[in-house]
Amino acid sequence: ETGVTQSPTHLIKTRGQQVTLRCSSQSGHNTVSWYQQALGQGPQFIFQYYREEENGRGNFPPRFSGLQFPNYSSELNVNALELDDSALYLCASSPDRIRKNTEAFFGQGTRLTVV
Amino acid sequence: GNSVTQMEGPVTLSEEAFLTINCTYTATGYPSLFWYVQYPGEGLQLLLKATKADDKGSNKGFEATYRKETTSFHLEKGSVQVSDSAVYFCALSDKTGNQFYFGTGTSLTVIP
Repeated sequence: ETGVTQSPTHLIKTRGQQVTLRCSSQSGHNTVSWYQQALGQGPQFIFQYYREEENGRGNFPPRFSGLQFPNYSSELNVNALELDDSALYLCASSPDRIRKNTEAFFGQGTRLTVV
Repeated sequence: GNSVTQMEGPVTLSEEAFLTINCTYTATGYPSLFWYVQYPGEGLQLLLKATKADDKGSNKGFEATYRKETTSFHLEKGSVQVSDSAVYFCALSDKTGNQFYFGTGTSLTVIP
């Protein structure tokens, strides 16, 4: 068991709405990364949070935003949902920022469906 | 830039067959290479990794060797089981970045 938990596991939203996804990192880990996995595709990097600050961002628009809290848990917020935002959102917890030898532990994901 | 290319799936094998899933990469510098596995309805689990050229990662009967000369990290298993049915992702990370770069995944189904 990885110790990384995400909530909720599934949710359905309407186009134009806003959504918040949550992630509890593994004990002792100070870094959380978020990935979007569209159906049949590999995970795509959204952003990483290290000690409560954003530490890198992938090719996602500003309506994707995040937070990291003092206990290193994290939220992913998506505004103005679009149909293409339907995907599995994965949270990855690591003991430090992702570098060459850093391992990350993934949660089970949140399946978001936008209708 | 960094990228990972995996062989297209899906792959269907009979139990006890030999498995190879090809993975090649493009990277700036000398990355670490990973194989992650995703079982149905679950997140990603690290299967094995290699951090430098000629390293061999191994776990649960799976192996992969970091080949710098061919920029490859092919996954192999000598005898697959039904329980190995999953999607397998090749990935890399490097010292300059802050993320993993994943391939598109290869779906494996093992039939009894």
